[in-house]
Amino acid sequence: ETGVTQSPTHLIKTRGQQVTLRCSSQSGHNTVSWYQQALGQGPQFIFQYYREEENGRGNFPPRFSGLQFPNYSSELNVNALELDDSALYLCASSNRQGQYQETQYFGPGTRLLVL
Amino acid sequence: SQQGEEDPQALSIQEGENATMNCSYKTSINNLQWYRQNSGRGLVHLILIRSNEREKHSGRLRVTLDTSKKSSSLLITASRAADTASYFCATDAGHYKEYGNKLVFGAGTILRVKS
Repeated sequence: ETGVTQSPTHLIKTRGQQVTLRCSSQSGHNTVSWYQQALGQGPQFIFQYYREEENGRGNFPPRFSGLQFPNYSSELNVNALELDDSALYLCASSNRQGQYQETQYFGPGTRLLVL
Repeated sequence: SQQGEEDPQALSIQEGENATMNCSYKTSINNLQWYRQNSGRGLVHLILIRSNEREKHSGRLRVTLDTSKKSSSLLITASRAADTASYFCATDAGHYKEYGNKLVFGAGTILRVKS
């Protein structure tokens, strides 16, 4: 167990709806990263939050947005859901000290199905 | 797009045999990490090797890194049925100001260990 938790575990939405996924980081970690993993592929980086600010973003449209809270937990919001958004969404927490970031520890993921 | 490419895509071996998986990547890196994923759930961190290291051991795992060839290998010795999972390599380019220390994953190797 990594100490990183995500909710919900599964979610079914319809096209055009909005969804919020949540992540609680491991104690002592100040950085949260979000990844999307489509079936049969490796995870793809969405964005990272460090000290409540977005700090790096992958090739995802603006309808993917996020927040990090003072306790370092985080939310991923996806607006105007599309069928291709169906995937496993993974949250990873880590501790950054200056430029150096330690190992990223992943939560169990939220499986999103868009119908 | 994914930087790493794992080889082979799938591997089936008998319990007790050794399993070797390879990973190639395209850009310079700060470190390379290997993760395991069971049945489409969260990723479990196995081992991290820094760019100035050539070999690292952890229990039954041995990882090598050749930065001149931009490749790494993961060896699992004396495999067990419980090692059945997908294995991913992930590179950290360390460009935190641009990419937020994102991990770039390959598509993974599916390992099946038959008892």
